[in-house]
Order: sequence, then structure tokens, then C-alpha cells
Amino acid sequence: DIQMTQSPSTLSASVGDRVTITCRASQSISSWLAWYQQKPGKAPRLLIYEASSLESGVPSRFSGSGSGTEFTLTISSLQPDDFATYYCQQYNTWWTFGQGTKVEIK
Amino acid sequence: EVQLVESGGGLVQPGRSLRLSCTASGFTFGDYAMSWFRQAAGKGLEWVGFSRNQAYSGTTDYAASVKGRFTISRDDSKSIAYLQMNSLQTEDTAVYYCTRGRRAGTWVFDYWGQGILVTVSS
Repeated sequence: DIQMTQSPSTLSASVGDRVTITCRASQSISSWLAWYQQKPGKAPRLLIYEASSLESGVPSRFSGSGSGTEFTLTISSLQPDDFATYYCQQYNTWWTFGQGTKVEIK
Repeated sequence: EVQLVESGGGLVQPGRSLRLSCTASGFTFGDYAMSWFRQAAGKGLEWVGFSRNQAYSGTTDYAASVKGRFTISRDDSKSIAYLQMNSLQTEDTAVYYCTRGRRAGTWVFDYWGQGILVTVSS
């Protein structure tokens, strides 16, 4: 199985901050990586697919980059609605997720 | 508007069975794959099973943790996907999500249902 490791596990930030979350795959997954946002009691929401493609309707302050085994999700200017948990997911071989990064208010 | 609504969850004893349904609307169901994921309380997300649409063979795949116990089926005429869960174990306790699979190279899941709780306990 392909293991996905996110860092950090928790991130404290303020509104307006630039935030970066890292995801590493245990083997190359090309660009087959997605990012999801999940709020408490809600279903995950697809933000980014194919490492850097913005899903329709997602604000442009979200961006993704990377290929192979190293990926990042960046929020250029954190907004109040962005406090949530973020998961990376590889879809190169079946589907596995990182353990999540909780973005909390500083 | 795309909607996925899960039903059929609840409390079940270990070793028993349960069938979840996912009723879809707002898109042509037969044009899309469907998948189930789950999330135990306070934990991360886990893939459970995947059902390709007929254009991609109509076959299914399962995670090792549920293979042989869980079965996905679909009724394209009714726009419903099912997850039949047999020989349930306490570790199957989780919120189960139905998702729509979109072809994007491989498959990415762009719409998720609200989730349904399955509790396996005596």
C-alpha cells in the first residue's frame, strides 16, 4: 500500500496568513494527488486534483503543487471559513489518505 | 445540483449484516463510478470499495479490510448504489460516505454524501 504522510498534524494560524501543508507519498504517485477540506460533522470537499488543478467553485487562494512523492497545499491568505482539517489523497494505486492537518485559529 | 443521500445505517450486533443505500440525483448516474469511504470517530478517512460504471467494465474493487465481507452493487435505472456489509465487526463502526467518481486520469471523487453512521456493538 502507498502510505501518505502529512505535516504538520496541527497548524495554528491567523486570518490573512499564508499557510502551507506538506504531503509525502511512500512511492512515486506521479501527479495523482487530491486535497480535501473537512469541517466537523461534514463530508470532505474536493479542493485540488491532479496535484495542482483547482476544482470548480473552489476559491483561487487555494493552490497545489508537486509531483512524484512531495506535494504541497497552499492557502495564500487564510480566511475564517478555512479553519478545518485538510487531507491529501493519492489515487495512483487505489486510494489512501494522509492522517490530516488541522488548521486552527492562533 | 448533484446530491448523494445515504440511508440504512444504525446499530447492529457483531456478526450481523446491514445494507447501506446511496440515492443520487442531479447527474446521469450511469456515467459515473461510485465509491464508499468510511471514517471512524476522530480518525482519518479510509477507502472501502469502488464500483466502475458500465463504460469502464462495471467491475468492483475492495479494500483488504472488507474484501469478502462487503459488496457494492448499483441500480443505474434507479440511480442508487448499495453497500452490503456482512459479518460486521466492531472495527467497522464508522461514518460511511458515498461518493461520485469522476474520470480524471484515474478516478477522483468530486461529490460526497453527508455520511451515515454505522455502529457495530453488542
